[in-house]
Amino acid sequence: KQEVTQIPAALSVPEGENLVLNCSFTDSAIYNLQWFRQDPGKGLTSLLLIQSSQREQTSGRLNASLDKSSGRSTLYIAASQPGDSATYLCAVQGGSEKLVFGKGTKLTVNP
Amino acid sequence: EAQVTQNPRYLITVTGKKLTVTCSQNMNHEYMSWYRQDPGLGLRQIYYSMNVEVTDKGDVPEGYKVSRKEKRNFPLILESPSPNQTSLYFCASARLSPFTDTQYFGPGTRLTVL
Repeated sequence: KQEVTQIPAALSVPEGENLVLNCSFTDSAIYNLQWFRQDPGKGLTSLLLIQSSQREQTSGRLNASLDKSSGRSTLYIAASQPGDSATYLCAVQGGSEKLVFGKGTKLTVNP
Repeated sequence: EAQVTQNPRYLITVTGKKLTVTCSQNMNHEYMSWYRQDPGLGLRQIYYSMNVEVTDKGDVPEGYKVSRKEKRNFPLILESPSPNQTSLYFCASARLSPFTDTQYFGPGTRLTVL
């Protein structure tokens, strides 16, 4: 059974800092991995999708990497801003028709 | 604007009173899915649909029903809600398949069953 773990559960950083969020998964037989952002009282916003054949994806200040063989992904956020404060969720798509989610990392960027 | 919409956004109801949470997407997506999110448990899939008239169970289907009569709509039906169905519910869709495409989520429906 696929399990997805995100460490740390919470992270507080000063504005401007570069930071890395970690995601690990137990079964490397995945089709893709997706990073989401969840703001309080709102839905999930898709940030990046990495297919299993890809090593990384970039969007603006965000860069996500995938090492399928070791079961790891990282989300790198450059020059963090207070508006980046949210919960970040990692989810993997395996052979079943569902995403398996981690429990998230709650990020607070302090002005 | 391309989006997944859910209604209602908030609902308080009583045990046993049938309810429907609607989900609609305007992106002509084939795949749709329902998740529930609970503290400490994360997001878990309830039901999914790969195409019109094709639905299947996810991890936690007990107490729920769905239908997919049209491509754009995927309502979640609680025939006899119970307090353990108090949760935050999300609908999601993908262009063709969850194996290849980004999944887009609705804004969520917060349900309280008394």
